[in-house]
Amino acid sequence: DAGVIQSPRHEVTEMGQEVTLRCKPISGHDYLFWYRQTMMRGLELLIYFNNNVPIDDSGMPEDRFSAKMPNASFSTLKIQPSEPRDSAVYFCASSLGQGETHEQYFGPGTRLTVT
Amino acid sequence: GEDVEQSLFLSVREGDSSVINCTYTDSSSTYLYWYKQEPGAGLQLLTYIFSNMDMKQDQRLTVLLNKKDKHLSLRIADTQTGDSAIYFCAARGGTYKYIFGTGTRLKVLA
Repeated sequence: DAGVIQSPRHEVTEMGQEVTLRCKPISGHDYLFWYRQTMMRGLELLIYFNNNVPIDDSGMPEDRFSAKMPNASFSTLKIQPSEPRDSAVYFCASSLGQGETHEQYFGPGTRLTVT
Repeated sequence: GEDVEQSLFLSVREGDSSVINCTYTDSSSTYLYWYKQEPGAGLQLLTYIFSNMDMKQDQRLTVLLNKKDKHLSLRIADTQTGDSAIYFCAARGGTYKYIFGTGTRLKVLA
């Protein structure tokens, strides 16, 4: 398996623009997680899905952020409008709900810079 | 709320052992994980331990868990320059959510 795939790897945009980050989880995994990593706040869980349904979005910082999972192999995280303080690395991770350990496997991340 | 804490930096000489420490607050944490993040990359799962275990060994890695003190450590034997990275501790209770620590930046000196 190719692992978790994220695109784009780097995104530079101007304040006020819409940004869409994409994620393809590992095939067969039924949980998908979106994280944000910054120097100041570390790694924060934004939202996670189970079987394409959002389970916990309490980490989504504002209404400017939205996430969807239209099918088992694709998810998006959208920021509209973007602001400079949204600059961070955004990670997607997936895991298999069966079993006990529920290891999460991370993608390489998308580095977002909002100017 | 739930919290996981780690020291920010650790510096060791090549060939020495590294010990990275982590404390957590949620006593219901059932699984504890160690992840490694190299520059420009995502987090890579290194190992995990179940809360009813005291120790787990996997090649150069040894995980020790003191459940009473809610203290977790990762020992890397014979540390190499390739081990230089950020190491994250994470705790998981009864849900699928992980609580990650701040990460410890390990620097290995040649």
